[in-house]
Amino acid sequence: AAGVIQSPRHLIKEKRETATLKCYPIPRHDTVYWYQQGPGQDPQFLISFYEKMQSDKGSIPDRFSAQQFSDYHSELNMSSLELGDSALYFCASSPRLGGDYNEQFFGPGTRLTVL
Amino acid sequence: QKEVEQNSGPLSVPEGAIASLNCTYSDRGSQSFFWYRQYSGKSPELIMFIYSNGDKEDGRFTAQLNKASQYVSLLIRDSQPSDSATYLCAVNPSGSSASKIIFGSGTRLSIRP
Repeated sequence: AAGVIQSPRHLIKEKRETATLKCYPIPRHDTVYWYQQGPGQDPQFLISFYEKMQSDKGSIPDRFSAQQFSDYHSELNMSSLELGDSALYFCASSPRLGGDYNEQFFGPGTRLTVL
Repeated sequence: QKEVEQNSGPLSVPEGAIASLNCTYSDRGSQSFFWYRQYSGKSPELIMFIYSNGDKEDGRFTAQLNKASQYVSLLIRDSQPSDSATYLCAVNPSGSSASKIIFGSGTRLSIRP
């Protein structure tokens, strides 16, 4: 079965550079979520999109922005990178927004290292 | 106080025994509760979800929810070495859309042969 695709899988950047992470949800999933997981930490919710509109916002820094495109893929743009941005960035998708539960399927993650 | 609290472990359980993982949450209005399993360096994988008080069983896994005590647990029967992982409790807090879930810090579970 198709899974969530994230690219790139690994990314190395210098401080103050920019980075763009891409996420391709499972086909027919219309909701996308972004999480940041630092070393030894739990995943922190950043932002989510439903039908190309932002649906919820978490602890996403102002230096980051994200959007969902007409084909439902999403991109997380990160500017003025800091050492503390080094983390695993997960994208997840789900087939619907709302309801009693919301099963999110996670992608393999992008490991960002800021030097 | 964190919204979702878990004992970080490690919790060591002999193979074949029952592993019991616990989680408490602070938002009394939370409606949906999830258990994810995460192997080191891998992405979280949904194991169970529950939103009604009581027990929910799926194979070797049983989730238990007590909203009055703001407590959710996961039991793993007949523990296998492949169950060794970090187990993340997650909660959909009240006042947010169903898209937002808050994770606990996770409990590291080690199954010893």
